[in-house]
Amino acid sequence: QQQVKQSPQSLIVQKGGISIINCAYENTAFDYFPWYQQFPGKGPALLIAIRPDVSEKKEGRFTISFNKSAKQFSLHIMDSQPGDSATYFCAATVNQGGKLIFGQGTELSVKP
Amino acid sequence: GAVVSQHPSRVICKSGTSVKIECRSLDFQATTMFWYRQFPKKSLMLMATSNEGSKATYEQGVEKDKFLINHASLTLSTLTVTSAHPEDSSFYICSANPPGTHEQYFGPGTRLTVT
Repeated sequence: QQQVKQSPQSLIVQKGGISIINCAYENTAFDYFPWYQQFPGKGPALLIAIRPDVSEKKEGRFTISFNKSAKQFSLHIMDSQPGDSATYFCAATVNQGGKLIFGQGTELSVKP
Repeated sequence: GAVVSQHPSRVICKSGTSVKIECRSLDFQATTMFWYRQFPKKSLMLMATSNEGSKATYEQGVEKDKFLINHASLTLSTLTVTSAHPEDSSFYICSANPPGTHEQYFGPGTRLTVT
């Protein structure tokens, strides 16, 4: 019940296209859903996050869509660029300052 | 966003020795810090929660005597890998939340290689 399932495992997108990564969870107590971007050999960087009382959040080219009833959320990267090539992790947590439950990760490759 | 640093970024040690990794919150105080381990092309595996002034909370399957955690101040947590073996070679990452927030920020990671 504590798991967060992420798909796809890897994704190849052409430059300018839309990258979509999906996550699903079971624990309805989760109240914060962040996405992290990680480049090889670096720590994860917080990209964007959403609370369950909001269905969508947009920051620049990055959008989170949240479906509370389906217990799913997704990251959309518009106008994908080669510099977006990285591994993306979704996560969820219950409390402020609490431990994060991570998805399995998606390796995104944006081809020029 | 908030800044978390780690030192060293890379370390190579001989089998049987111990190595200490530092995690610092640079612009906020953190009563709790988290230590993760990451294998190549894998997700982050939470090892333990470091609590300032008290004992760390270890995840199931993590040897507390092997991975010693000390959180001596509100800005510093250390992870000591004792009697390191080649199978301990990994990427170790720490994280922390600014007080009263959900946002968790990660350090740059430490690449440990045990020869």
